[in-house]
Amino acid sequence: DGGITQSPKYLFRKEGQNVTLSCEQNLNHDAMYWYRQDPGQGLRLIYYSQIVNDFQKGDIAEGYSVSREKKESFPLTVTSAQKNPTAFYLCASSPGSDTQYFGPGTRLTVL
Amino acid sequence: QQQVKQSPQSLIVQKGGISIINCAYENTAFDYFPWYQQFPGKGPALLIAIRPDVSEKKEGRFTISFNKSAKQFSLHIMDSQPGDSATYFCAASMLGGAGSYQLTFGKGTKLSVIP
Repeated sequence: DGGITQSPKYLFRKEGQNVTLSCEQNLNHDAMYWYRQDPGQGLRLIYYSQIVNDFQKGDIAEGYSVSREKKESFPLTVTSAQKNPTAFYLCASSPGSDTQYFGPGTRLTVL
Repeated sequence: QQQVKQSPQSLIVQKGGISIINCAYENTAFDYFPWYQQFPGKGPALLIAIRPDVSEKKEGRFTISFNKSAKQFSLHIMDSQPGDSATYFCAASMLGGAGSYQLTFGKGTKLSVIP
């Protein structure tokens, strides 16, 4: 069963905590992306990675960190420096073309 | 600076009618224009896409119209059905840093198709 998986589906964080969102793909795609979605704001790019062990900041990278140790995995850490982390987080992958395919998302809520 | 402007923000259409969503872009370096459909609590799904060398692309009930000189493109949903009720995002792509393509999204249109 191919595709992009994100876990968990729902995540609750206390203020001051770091949390890590998982994104895995078995599509053999080279590029992976993280977006944040807020109501009425569309999707905004947090980080992206074209190859293993390399990644670049997107438009709203402050307060987030990523790693790309394996081609299949691109976890996102939301740090305590992110002042307003409550949002819907979407991971996407691409075979190196301009088409991106999205995972089901993780909804993060700060308590 | 918002590079892709989408309108309307919300749209109500009767079943069987035509839904029209419009987008405008500023950067002429964009060379790929996809539309995504998103249901509540789900990730966006690629619906249809067009490149600027084509003025129209049709897939089933969904059609993209593209006007390169005006830097505008639109999604038409013919014979709209209640199952089409979702949020639709237009996007524009260009080659960015490190050789990867980057999508810039519009803010979305919430479509409601009423029986």
